[in-house]
Amino acid sequence: GQQVMQIPQYQHVQEGEDFTTYCNSSTTLSNIQWYKQRPGGHPVFLIQLVKSGEVKKQKRLTFQFGEAKKNSSLHITATQTTDVGTYFCAGQETSGSRLTFGEGTQLTVNP
Amino acid sequence: EAGVAQSPRYKIIEKRQSVAFWCNPISGHATLYWYQQILGQGPKLLIQFQNNGVVDDSQLPKDRFSAERLKGVDSTLKIQPAKLEDSAVYLCASSLGGPAYEQYFGPGTRLTVT
Repeated sequence: GQQVMQIPQYQHVQEGEDFTTYCNSSTTLSNIQWYKQRPGGHPVFLIQLVKSGEVKKQKRLTFQFGEAKKNSSLHITATQTTDVGTYFCAGQETSGSRLTFGEGTQLTVNP
Repeated sequence: EAGVAQSPRYKIIEKRQSVAFWCNPISGHATLYWYQQILGQGPKLLIQFQNNGVVDDSQLPKDRFSAERLKGVDSTLKIQPAKLEDSAVYLCASSLGGPAYEQYFGPGTRLTVT
């Protein structure tokens, strides 16, 4: 079955440093979504990428979908303490198939 | 707009007991999902409903787990009998359409099986 892998599993940064998490799928994806889960909270949708090579920005967050639609990345510029949490990618293999979540990257930010 | 509601928020039971979780999705959302999230892992889909029909229950341990969505609105997830490895957070989510749509998650039910 489809597998979605994320690296790194943990990332500790100083406030103001940049952060990147990578997501790789064992199969080609029709779309990929990113979610953020604060400690003790529930996943909250951030963005969806659909097109090959697509790049989307949300303030300090930059999301990219690979050309082969098998990998994606999330980059945060100049992290803040409010960025703390676990970032999950979730891929959908084909239209109508389930969303498969990665294991997440847990980000901690030292002030 | 009210979010996805779940109850209870916490539940502690002994193994071999039964437990039920309730979910009320966002009004108008046709699709409802139940996920299991074990500590340190990503959410794993247990079952997906479209209105009151099951779309995907391929990862639901049907020997002990059951779920229903009566009238295409509220849903309940039941575990009977519970095992130690069922300790996890059970998340309910809903979306306007299928998995290609943004999913809205509820606060979850933290289950501890002792």
